[in-house]
Amino acid sequence: ILNVEQSPQSLHVQEGDSTNFTCSFPSSNFYALHWYRWETAKSPEALFVMTLNGDEKKKGRISATLNTKEGYSYLYIKGSQPEDSATYLCAFMNSYDKVIFGPGTSLSVIP
Amino acid sequence: DAGVTQSPTHLIKTRGQQVTLRCSPKSGHDTVSWYQQALGQGPQFIFQYYEEEERQRGNFPDRFSGHQFPNYSSELNVNALLLGDSALYLCASTDGPYNSPLHFGNGTRLTVT
Repeated sequence: ILNVEQSPQSLHVQEGDSTNFTCSFPSSNFYALHWYRWETAKSPEALFVMTLNGDEKKKGRISATLNTKEGYSYLYIKGSQPEDSATYLCAFMNSYDKVIFGPGTSLSVIP
Repeated sequence: DAGVTQSPTHLIKTRGQQVTLRCSPKSGHDTVSWYQQALGQGPQFIFQYYEEEERQRGNFPDRFSGHQFPNYSSELNVNALLLGDSALYLCASTDGPYNSPLHFGNGTRLTVT
């Protein structure tokens, strides 16, 4: 059974703090790793799709790295803002188009 | 440019009943997948449709079935509803390959009593 894990489960940070989360996935038969942000009362929104070992992606204050050999990805948020409060999901794909999601990390940014 | 739309938004059914959920993909997308999200868990993959055929399936019983129409819209059907089927059902569309991001609808909240 393929398992995708995320840590921590939840996180509370002060506005302006930088933070990071971890996504762990099976290191065999890797195809792609996705990151999504899911705000309350909205639909999940894609942040990054990463396909190559060593990939680094950045969108504004959010960045992500990928290590397919050891099976992990980090998501970093620099200078957290209240609007960053959301659940961050990672999703692993090891066969064509079957996506396996982790349970998510819930981030609360306190003003 | 309309994104992914799902209907209905909320639904209450009784155990043993059948339900149909609907999804229209984002314009230009031809691949639709369905996910079940129970409280405290990440979305669980149910199945994916492409060219009106089920291409991939997750670990869900045969009570869960689907359909894709020529206009790429899709339905998820669940028969013989159980209390454990209560969840948020998400539809996502993409324009093809595994390295394309999923575009999600707002989901249908199904409650089985």
